Amino acid sequence: DAMVIQNPRYQVTQFGKPVTLSCSQTLNHNVMYWYQQKSSQAPKLLFHYYDKDFNNEADTPDNFQSRRPNTSFCFLDIRSPGLGDAAMYLCATSGGWLARSPNEQFFGPGTRLTVL
Amino acid sequence: AQSVSQHNHHVILSEAASLELGCNYSYGGTVNLFWYVQYPGQHLQLLLKYFSGDPLVKGIKGFEAEFIKSKFSFNLRKPSVQWSDTAEYFCAVNRNTGRRALTFGSGTRLQVQP
Repeated sequence: DAMVIQNPRYQVTQFGKPVTLSCSQTLNHNVMYWYQQKSSQAPKLLFHYYDKDFNNEADTPDNFQSRRPNTSFCFLDIRSPGLGDAAMYLCATSGGWLARSPNEQFFGPGTRLTVL
Repeated sequence: AQSVSQHNHHVILSEAASLELGCNYSYGGTVNLFWYVQYPGQHLQLLLKYFSGDPLVKGIKGFEAEFIKSKFSFNLRKPSVQWSDTAEYFCAVNRNTGRRALTFGSGTRLQVQP
């Protein structure tokens, strides 16, 4: 089945220690999104890629970076995690403008990040 | 920028009761509307979606939603809830153009008591 995969599902890191979260997709979608969901809150968009074009949200902290080396993979790098960065990080994809259903997003299971 | 309001933050129902969760959005242009469900400890799952056409949409697990353009609303309904419907429900919108990123409401926690 075509899907969105996130690894690891659970990540524990120390305050200030860089961490990388991974997302891969077998849907061949043009667009990949990263959302942050803190406990009991709605998911909040951090940034997205349309193909290789990176689009950062205005209020995304500089501490958060992303890489997309190819269509299938996208990474979220947190350079110096703080306690406030503990959250669920969700990756999503969509097919882009030419897709049959460009408006729909498909979510991965998320990575729960704990910062000690 | 669009925004989404979910006025019910926490709803408690008994099994077999009817459910209606409110969702209002603010955006003057064409939007797409979604309801997602998040069961405890699980990831977001799409319940239903509205892009165009019949404003009454049916989703999975007996859920339906009605788009009322004049009221900027997309309320979620289910005639008879089950204990297994206990979850967090998120309304979301995106625009029909551009980056199509989702804007989520703050969520409604539904607790169904046996």
